[in-house]
This record gives sequence, C-alpha cells and structure tokens, in this order.
Amino acid sequence: NAGVTQTPKFQVLKTGQSMTLQCAQDMNHNSMYWYRQDPGMGLRLIYYSASEGTTDKGEVPNGYNVSRLNKREFSLRLESAAPSQTSVYFCASLSGARNTEAFFGQGTRLTVV
Amino acid sequence: GQQVMQIPQYQHVQEGEDFTTYCNSSTTLSNIQWYKQRPGGHPVFLIQLVKSGEVKKQKRLTFQFGEAKKNSSLHITATQTTDVGTYFCAGRGTGANNLFFGTGTRLTVIP
Repeated sequence: NAGVTQTPKFQVLKTGQSMTLQCAQDMNHNSMYWYRQDPGMGLRLIYYSASEGTTDKGEVPNGYNVSRLNKREFSLRLESAAPSQTSVYFCASLSGARNTEAFFGQGTRLTVV
Repeated sequence: GQQVMQIPQYQHVQEGEDFTTYCNSSTTLSNIQWYKQRPGGHPVFLIQLVKSGEVKKQKRLTFQFGEAKKNSSLHITATQTTDVGTYFCAGRGTGANNLFFGTGTRLTVIP
C-alpha cells in the first residue's frame, strides 16, 4: 500500500519548457490536491479536485493546468515554466468526507533556470 | 479569499523548554487540523479539532480550538530534539471542499 506517489522527485527545467508532475493514490480517495511550498509562505493550494471529473482553482492557479485522469491520478502541468515556479510541489489526497486527514506524497523539488 | 496565518514563523528553543504556535483564520472554520513536516520530508497529519473550544492532548502536545472557531494553538511541553520540524495548521471553511494551510512555524530545538 504505497499511499500517495509523486513523480519525479527532482526536476530542473529551462525557462519556457513544459512538464507534467504526476500523482497517484491507491487509497480510493475522492479528493486530490496540488500545493506548492516556498520558504515563509507555507503550503499554497494550486488546484484541487473534489471528485473524479471535477477540478477547481486554489489560491495560486496561474501558470498551471491540471487533469484528473481517473480516480487514482491527478496531474499538474506547467506549459511554459518560469523561474517563479521554482518550488517544492506536494500532491495530497483525502477520502472526501469532511472530517478526514490529508495524505501527502513525498514532493517534487522543481528548479526553473 | 480565505487566509490562515501562523505565528511565530520561526522559533528556537533550548531542549526542555516549552513551545507554542498560534493559528488565526480570517473566516470561521468547520474544523482545524495540525500537521508536522520534518526537514526534507512531507507534512504528516497529527490531529483534528472539530468542536468550538475543543482541547486534545497527545503526550506532550496540547491542541486547542478557539470558541469562535477562527483560531487554534499547539503547545509542546518540554521540547525534545525529535520535535524539530515545521508545524502547520490547516482548515476548511464551512461548506468548502478545499483545505487551506497556514504559513507554518519552524521549530528548532537546541540540545
């Protein structure tokens, strides 16, 4: 039982390149989230998917797109990477019931040069 | 939009001293959760508070949820080096699906 799996763990991109961060969970959770973590800023919500087939913007969605491919997978795409997107990205999943905890992946450390 | 602020941002304590971090929301929360992130790791769930004025304890950790359900605190008694990490609160607004995290408090414990 792997929980939440994120790939890749590390990535370096050049400005303007595109890439997709992958996230998969094996807990049959309905809700999935993407956060970015920057020093002093905490965890900021980029996009979330409350259930399969739905996605919604969080606090900082600009420059990102998401796809909820199926119940297990929720990907985050950077179409044209910018240095301001250098960050650590975390995927999380919740069962969907209101009072449940979030389970996090190991994170992706992305550097845009 | 919803904001959840935490203070202090950083705290250095001598091993054995107490530590408290405070969490304040701009809106009423349906619940508050607390997470711990070890250096280089990912956030891990500690506890959830749901009721107004609720207090819960986990060994040396005491969690409180304010009467107005807009603030919370985490108090650690007699810190140990294993307590090192960043502590986050997280909350949902009433009727909301999204989970907002606070800015976090990074705790350093000096042996």
